[in-house]
Amino acid sequence: DAGVTQSPTHLIKTRGQQVTLRCSPKSGHDTVSWYQQALGQGPQFIFQYYEEEERQRGNFPDRFSGHQFPNYSSELNVNALLLGDSALYLCASSLAAAEEQYFGPGTRLTVT
Amino acid sequence: AQKVTQAQTEISVVEKEDVTLDCVYETRDTTYYLFWYKQPPSGELVFLIRRNSFDEQNEISGRYSWNFQKSTSSFNFTITASQVVDSAVYFCALREGSSASKIIFGSGTRLSIRP
Repeated sequence: DAGVTQSPTHLIKTRGQQVTLRCSPKSGHDTVSWYQQALGQGPQFIFQYYEEEERQRGNFPDRFSGHQFPNYSSELNVNALLLGDSALYLCASSLAAAEEQYFGPGTRLTVT
Repeated sequence: AQKVTQAQTEISVVEKEDVTLDCVYETRDTTYYLFWYKQPPSGELVFLIRRNSFDEQNEISGRYSWNFQKSTSSFNFTITASQVVDSAVYFCALREGSSASKIIFGSGTRLSIRP
């Protein structure tokens, strides 16, 4: 039973560039949530996707956008990267939003 | 507003000692869910437990136990006879019943178990 997978593992980008992170949910799960975890802090909720629509959004600017595909996988896009966007980006999946979320290993993004 | 506070930034104990990680939460909802996650050095968050606001029974799972007290808005986590493999960052988290999805995490407690 495959768990949540994310790609790539690590990524280095330059300020002003754009990045796309990918997530495949745990088998049987239909809901994907994205979190940003800065160094030494707890994860911060970015948004959640269900039935290919953004269900809820945290306090993140419009530079952060996402998408969910019919197979439930998801992408997180960040435009006009800032140094402060450097963080571990975690994807979590669940069966409907009400259940516990299972996290992937994360993508570590470094912006220089 | 919802908030989770983990006042202990770092804890270091010798192997086989018992250790308790504190968690205090704030919410206006009467229905909510509390979680504990473990984050080892690899970075992946590992789900440990979920407790809903209507179930104040304490829970024990092997060396792990959780004490949920609504009167003090606390959801503390105790590891009995700690082991080196327990070394990790532990996060307490809250999801309000009125929020379909958003989980609020505390800032985490870094636990180091010395051999």
